[in-house]
Amino acid sequence: NAGVMQNPRHLVRRRGQEARLRCSPMKGHSHVYWYRQLPEEGLKFMVYLQKENIIDESGMPKERFSAEFPKEGPSILRIQQVVRGDSAAYFCASSRSSGTGANVLTFGAGSRLTVL
Amino acid sequence: DAKTTQPNSMESNEEEPVHLPCNHSTISGTDYIHWYRQLPSQGPEYVIHGLTSNVNNRMASLAIAEDRKSSTLILHRATLRDAAVYYCIPRDGGTGGFKTIFGAGTRLFVKA
Repeated sequence: NAGVMQNPRHLVRRRGQEARLRCSPMKGHSHVYWYRQLPEEGLKFMVYLQKENIIDESGMPKERFSAEFPKEGPSILRIQQVVRGDSAAYFCASSRSSGTGANVLTFGAGSRLTVL
Repeated sequence: DAKTTQPNSMESNEEEPVHLPCNHSTISGTDYIHWYRQLPSQGPEYVIHGLTSNVNNRMASLAIAEDRKSSTLILHRATLRDAAVYYCIPRDGGTGGFKTIFGAGTRLFVKA
């Protein structure tokens, strides 16, 4: 059981470029969550997805950010026209289901984005 | 979402027990109490969770007050590897359970 796999682990982009972060959930998990952690700050919820559906994106910035979880393949968090303020660690988590508060989240190791 | 209050930081000596408190006075009857921790430069990891009864697992114990307005995470013998930020998170037992909200947590320092 490989756990939640995120790649790339480190990504460097220049201002104005696009960043794509990928997340493969644990085997048997169909729910994916993305969090952002700015340097020296806490984890902020961004978006929750199930296969082919965005369930809650209330934490996503309104512009430049998008997320998807296609029927096949990993979930992708896409940041267009990156700015220095996007530099952060982006964590993905997965769970088996969401219908109960007993469900446990399993996190990946994170993708660290640096914008020059 | 139920609000939580945790100490900003705590310190412990290696091999000694650590009691990490959390107040969640606005918790609802269906909220589970989850604890996660984040080691430096790593993703958060699940520690333990419970609803009403005290819980034990290989990592820790969770003591839940009878009125459920507070809980305590107990590390029985702290090691240097336990130095991390510990998050107490009430999680909705209903349909809103997906939105796990992390607060500031307690940073635990462990001295050798």
